[in-house]
Amino acid sequence: SAVISQKPSRDICQRGTSLTIQCQVDSQVTMMFWYRQQPGQSLTLIATANQGSEATYESGFVIDKFPISRPNLTFSTLTVSNMSPEDSSIYLCSAEGHLNTEAFFGQGTRLTVV
Amino acid sequence: GEDVEQSLFLSVREGDSSVINCTYTDSSSTYLYWYKQEPGAGLQLLTYIFSNMDMKQDQRLTVLLNKKDKHLSLRIADTQTGDSAIYFCAETLDDKIIFGKGTRLHILP
Repeated sequence: SAVISQKPSRDICQRGTSLTIQCQVDSQVTMMFWYRQQPGQSLTLIATANQGSEATYESGFVIDKFPISRPNLTFSTLTVSNMSPEDSSIYLCSAEGHLNTEAFFGQGTRLTVV
Repeated sequence: GEDVEQSLFLSVREGDSSVINCTYTDSSSTYLYWYKQEPGAGLQLLTYIFSNMDMKQDQRLTVLLNKKDKHLSLRIADTQTGDSAIYFCAETLDDKIIFGKGTRLHILP
């Protein structure tokens, strides 16, 4: 299994600012993913973070708003840019597990934009 | 569409069995998962089932898969207060994992 450390665990930010969330995995993984979980909603995939290339974004999410870095096989960051209250949510990073049979999740970052 | 559907709430008396149901969308999904999210915590993989199986048992957990109806269920035997959480059903779709909205399991004393 993989252990994922995600930080910060929570933050309160002013609108118009940006926040970078970090995700560290204790082993090398090929695929890492970033999800958003809005209140009362399920997890929505934002993008797949690819090592050595640009992230692949899902419909409704763009690189300018959610730039992602994946500098190596154990680390990724997600930035929430030019934040508005609508960005208040829990953001989760995930890494695929061994043999692609399971995904492991960080503890999540609870973001409140005021 | 890409909606995995599950009921939002379930209340069960302590000691009884809990059954959480889910319908998924893609008959070609290779793996189907159940994740548990406890308050203030991340998601934890509870169990998964390969699409070529119709049942998997793991201690108090039993997963049933009906591929014809695209129906997945999770049975928790002898439900305990520690089972109180949100349970997410998920399927693989084009190398992504699609989640349902989650079922909040409430345990009655």
